[in-house]
Amino acid sequence: KNQVEQSPQSLIILEGKNCTLQCNYTVSPFSNLRWYKQDTGRGPVSLTIMTFSENTKSNGRYTATLDADTKQSSLHITASQLSDSASYICVVSLSGGSYIPTFGRGTSLIVHP
Amino acid sequence: DADVTQTPRNRITKTGKRIMLECSQTKGHDRMYWYRQDPGLGLRLIYYSFDVKDINKGEISDGYSVSRQAQAKFSLSLESAIPNQTALYFCATSDLPGTTSRGNQYFGPGTRLLVL
Repeated sequence: KNQVEQSPQSLIILEGKNCTLQCNYTVSPFSNLRWYKQDTGRGPVSLTIMTFSENTKSNGRYTATLDADTKQSSLHITASQLSDSASYICVVSLSGGSYIPTFGRGTSLIVHP
Repeated sequence: DADVTQTPRNRITKTGKRIMLECSQTKGHDRMYWYRQDPGLGLRLIYYSFDVKDINKGEISDGYSVSRQAQAKFSLSLESAIPNQTALYFCATSDLPGTTSRGNQYFGPGTRLLVL
């Protein structure tokens, strides 16, 4: 079964600090990997999207990396802000056919002042 | 105006009642999805539709049905609601993977459903 595993499940950091979230997947064949940010009670919003040929993608203070050989991705948040407190979800899509995405369970990030 | 809207935003109903959740989009996407989200479980796919005449079951379709009335509208029905259907429901849309959006999904604001 195609799976997407995220770690840690939750993380608490101080404002201004950096952090890295991990995503391991077994989805194959691979089409693309996306990171979403979901604020409490709201719909997920896309942060980055990478195909197998892309190693890194940035969106402001968010930088995602992808190693398609080891099937690992990370999301690095630089100089965290209180507004970064949210759930971060890794989503991997199959190539060919329906491209239905597989969602990870998310990492809950809390940024304290 | 939001690209993907859902109504109602909150709903309380009783066991056995029929309820419909509606989703509308102005993004012009052919693909639409319904997900439910439960604490600690992430988003799970209920149904999806790739065009007006296409309906497909997701991983947790039992107890649910859908209707794709038009390209812009996709409704989710609970024929006889039960308490374990209490959850946060999201509608999403996407374009084809080969387009500039690379098949990125755009989510509505969610409907919070409580079944008593």
